[in-house]
Amino acid sequence: KNEVEQSPQNLTAQEGEFITINCSYSVGISALHWLQQHPGGGIVSLFMLSSGKKKHGRLIATINIQEKHSSLHITASHPRDSAVYICAVRGETSGSRLTFGEGTQLTVNP
Amino acid sequence: KAGVTQTPRYLIKTRGQQVTLSCSPISGHRSVSWYQQTPGQGLQFLFEYFSETQRNKGNFPGRFSGRQFSNSRSEMNVSTLELGDSALYLCASRDTLEAFFGQGTRLTVV
Repeated sequence: KNEVEQSPQNLTAQEGEFITINCSYSVGISALHWLQQHPGGGIVSLFMLSSGKKKHGRLIATINIQEKHSSLHITASHPRDSAVYICAVRGETSGSRLTFGEGTQLTVNP
Repeated sequence: KAGVTQTPRYLIKTRGQQVTLSCSPISGHRSVSWYQQTPGQGLQFLFEYFSETQRNKGNFPGRFSGRQFSNSRSEMNVSTLELGDSALYLCASRDTLEAFFGQGTRLTVV
């Protein structure tokens, strides 16, 4: 079993839909990151969470430390949101080392 | 502030050759981590450098090595390249908690 599990692996939505991507992890963490990767490879950090909830524009990320679970929500999805979304955790004693989920390929159709 | 800069962006090498990739972190960041991304294995941690010292190392063979200079710029080297080393190599620099990724170097071994 991977230390970081994401679901779903693939997600297709219509423009305007509300989207949720889930991440579960099995280790104690100091932080959890949500990352976005577009074709071409570059990764953008969307959120870094250690507790609670963060919001940036149409994106919302939540984390429940006790349940070892985080969700990324996209409201009013748009085709430009199409990308791979990756959950990554930093273990409590692992310095900068990140462990990644397998990613969720999101496609938003117009 | 300039972002994380990786050079070169693309590289084609022949089996058996060696390669050096470069990463310039965000000014003031002393931690640099390297990751390999392949379709089969996803994103995997290679190593982390902090103030010129390797602080953490992933599960990769000794052909993969790195170093960090006094200006925090980092290089990674892969010797005796194998076809399986074809991948996107990403580096990330970190301040206290947030990680910032470069665009990556896409290495193709033929």
